[in-house]
Amino acid sequence: DVKVTQSSRYLVKRTGEKVFLECVQDMDHENMFWYRQDPGLGLRLIYFSYDVKMKEKGDIPEGYSVSREKKERFSLILESASTNQTSMYLCASRGQGLPTQYFGPGTRLLVL
Amino acid sequence: QKEVEQNSGPLSVPEGAIASLNCTYSDRGSQSFFWYRQYSGKSPELIMFIYSNGDKEDGRFTAQLNKASQYVSLLIRDSQPSDSATYLCAVNVNGNQFYFGTGTSLTVIP
Repeated sequence: DVKVTQSSRYLVKRTGEKVFLECVQDMDHENMFWYRQDPGLGLRLIYFSYDVKMKEKGDIPEGYSVSREKKERFSLILESASTNQTSMYLCASRGQGLPTQYFGPGTRLLVL
Repeated sequence: QKEVEQNSGPLSVPEGAIASLNCTYSDRGSQSFFWYRQYSGKSPELIMFIYSNGDKEDGRFTAQLNKASQYVSLLIRDSQPSDSATYLCAVNVNGNQFYFGTGTSLTVIP
């Protein structure tokens, strides 16, 4: 079974703090994704990565950056957290040529 | 126009009935279609997916595609209270581009 883990289930941060969200997958998947999910807006893609050190912007990259130094790990960085970044953050992975994404448990981030 | 649209519900069905969920998609080039179940406070869990060439049945779940009308449906037979959740529809247009609907809330009444 594919296992995708995220570093925290809940986080509370203050405005202006730098926030790191980490995601690790154990299936040697090439592709990894970061989404945020907000009520009424569904899942929106922030960034994805198709290989180590490679990244592509999704639909809402502003205010975020990512890092993929190792194949199994994909980090999302909020350089200076703002209240409008309060959300559920979901990481997913997908093997090359395979149809499905598998999601981690999610991180619920509250920015005060 | 959103890429994927779903009726937010809530949809309520009695236990043992068939629940029918639908979503419409805008891109005719969509290649694969997914249904995820999401319990409150949890992450999406894949139920099933289909390619553009056919329907699929898996236990109590059936996914159907109507390419001409650009909609995908999920039928849940013999609905159980444990099926109560939000169901997300997603489509893959190409490569790593996935679009998600906002989900339909389903309640199965015992």
